[in-house]
Amino acid sequence: DSGVTQTPKHLITATGQRVTLRCSPRSGDLSVYWYQQSLDQGLQFLIQYYNGEERAKGNILERFSAQQFPDLHSELNLSSLELGDSALYFCASSGPPSREGQGGELFFGEGSRLTVL
Amino acid sequence: AQKITQTQPGMFVQEKEAVTLDCTYDTSDPSYGLFWYKQPSSGEMIFLIYQGSYDQQNATEGRYSLNFQKARKSANLVISASQLGDSAMYFCAMREGLGTGNQFYFGTGTSLTVIP
Repeated sequence: DSGVTQTPKHLITATGQRVTLRCSPRSGDLSVYWYQQSLDQGLQFLIQYYNGEERAKGNILERFSAQQFPDLHSELNLSSLELGDSALYFCASSGPPSREGQGGELFFGEGSRLTVL
Repeated sequence: AQKITQTQPGMFVQEKEAVTLDCTYDTSDPSYGLFWYKQPSSGEMIFLIYQGSYDQQNATEGRYSLNFQKARKSANLVISASQLGDSAMYFCAMREGLGTGNQFYFGTGTSLTVIP
């Protein structure tokens, strides 16, 4: 158990719809990252938050948005869904590396598998 | 330039043999961390091993070791005594810098198949 919780685990919806994926990071982790993994593909970085503020943006479509709340949980909103949005969406969290650079690894949730029909 | 390069899309290894999965990285930051993750067919991402840029020795975790060659900017994962359960995708990743909230970079992954 990584300590990162994602809901829902599975989601089936139709094109044009909107869904919200939820993530609770590990206790104490301030950074939250969202990744998209399409079938047999690598991880595509979407967006990163640190303590409520957007820190970095990757290949995130304009139809997608995210936020991190004061309690540090994060939500990824996907709207006007297309067939190509079907993927496994991961949330991950990390703590800071030590002064000597130790640790700071990403801990992943189990993912939310989105199927758009 | 790619931050993380994994040049082996697929690898096969005989059960009980050792296998090396290649990873090269590109950074000009003297402080960075290198990570390997395993993704079995069930989909979850499992953290395997970590190597810091200032670490003098190669990291080891059970049957996993990281062959860290700083001058060559390589961070190969070595799995000893392969088991059938090692069949999975393996991703190499890097975190640059020591700041909080730094971005991670992932390679495209290597699919490992262990043959009985």
